[in-house]
Amino acid sequence: DIQMTQSPASLSASLGETVTIECRASEDIYNGLAWYQQKPGKSPQLLIYNANSLHTGVPSRFSGSGSGTQYSLKINSLQSEDVASYFCQQYYNYPFTFGSGTKLEIK
Amino acid sequence: QVQLKESGPGLVQPSETLSLTCTVSGFSLTSYSVSWVRQPSGKGPEWMGRMWYDGDTAYNSALKSRLSISRDTSKNQVFLKMNSLQTDDTGTYYCTRGSSGFAYWGQGTLVTVSS
Repeated sequence: DIQMTQSPASLSASLGETVTIECRASEDIYNGLAWYQQKPGKSPQLLIYNANSLHTGVPSRFSGSGSGTQYSLKINSLQSEDVASYFCQQYYNYPFTFGSGTKLEIK
Repeated sequence: QVQLKESGPGLVQPSETLSLTCTVSGFSLTSYSVSWVRQPSGKGPEWMGRMWYDGDTAYNSALKSRLSISRDTSKNQVFLKMNSLQTDDTGTYYCTRGSSGFAYWGQGTLVTVSS
């Protein structure tokens, strides 16, 4: 199975700041990577697919980048509504696997 | 619009079988695949398996011996059955739709395994 190592586990930042979350795959996943946002008590919501494509309706302050085994999610100009947990997921190979998550809080 | 909704028992006894139903609307099961994903409280999600649009299935190897996914296209429903449940099977179970990432999720159903 492909292991997804996500960092950091938690993150505290100020409103308006830029934050970056990293995800490392145990082998090349050829950009088969998605990022999700999950608020407490809610289902995950797709933000980014194919490593760098913005899902419909997602604000442009979210962006994804990376290749091979290293990927990142960047949130520009942090807003209060961005407080959530974020997960990466590889869908290059079965079984699809998720990272353990990053909990983002406002400082 | 696309909707998915999970239903099933909230409480299951250890060693028993879990049966969940995902009822979909706004799309056809013969055109799109549906996956089951579960999430223990406070942890990352785990992909369990997929029902393809052509009726084929794919399973997480870690669960394959206990898991079965089927469907009834006439009722727009996808079913999950998993046997020999243990306490670490407790969590929220979701059905989802998507290929390059899961763009649509149900609200989830909490399953607690306890005597």
